[in-house]
Amino acid sequence: QSALTQPPSVSGSPGQSVTISCTGTSTDVGRYNRVSWYQQPPGTAPKLLIYEVTTRPSGVPDRFSGSKSANTAFLTISGLQADDEADYYCSSYTISSAYVFGTGTKVTVL
Amino acid sequence: EVQLVESGGGLVTPGGSLRLSCAASGFTFSGYTMNWVRQAPGRGLEWVSSISGTSDYIYYADSVKGRFTISRDNARNSLYLQMNSLRAEDTAVYYCARILLYCSGGRCFYEYHAMDVWGQGTTVTVSS
Repeated sequence: QSALTQPPSVSGSPGQSVTISCTGTSTDVGRYNRVSWYQQPPGTAPKLLIYEVTTRPSGVPDRFSGSKSANTAFLTISGLQADDEADYYCSSYTISSAYVFGTGTKVTVL
Repeated sequence: EVQLVESGGGLVTPGGSLRLSCAASGFTFSGYTMNWVRQAPGRGLEWVSSISGTSDYIYYADSVKGRFTISRDNARNSLYLQMNSLRAEDTAVYYCARILLYCSGGRCFYEYHAMDVWGQGTTVTVSS
């Protein structure tokens, strides 16, 4: 199972919006609405941001939103803040009853 | 408080074995599918294995199949990962993580296939 493809890095100024893509295949992202997104600040464990493509767990700000089109999922961070600087990973359930993570994207706030 | 605490990491020589543990607290452990996820130094997350609440369903990544064994002891609220024939490329921080469940009225109905609770990780280094 190959990792989902994410851009290595994205950046934006405070208050701007950034969007991270996550490209898979018809056996994972394209097959199920079981895409999730995680935030991982340096030296910490991942934190769940989005599940089932668009749903935020309680406590996650609505500045974080998710979407999907065909084999690609997207995470948008609106109103970028300094503490949004972190690595972000997508994940999808697969046809093999496994999970696959994305390659990861480093978000930098300029 | 819902919590997962991993232990058992350390330095091991190639070909050696190690057993990781994950102690769960603050929730009904037996009702949840659990996972091991690892992260090599400076690299991304990699799913390793999952086990259902009753141990009926077990899955592995191709990279560890035949070498690693996931298990759980619901009476002890504990998850395990037995790692054999270790290789340098198994060097990583190993996290245990819980699968998010939809629950209502005291009953749970549906797995969301997302990991909502993570431990702090335990470090495994495979080196001679």
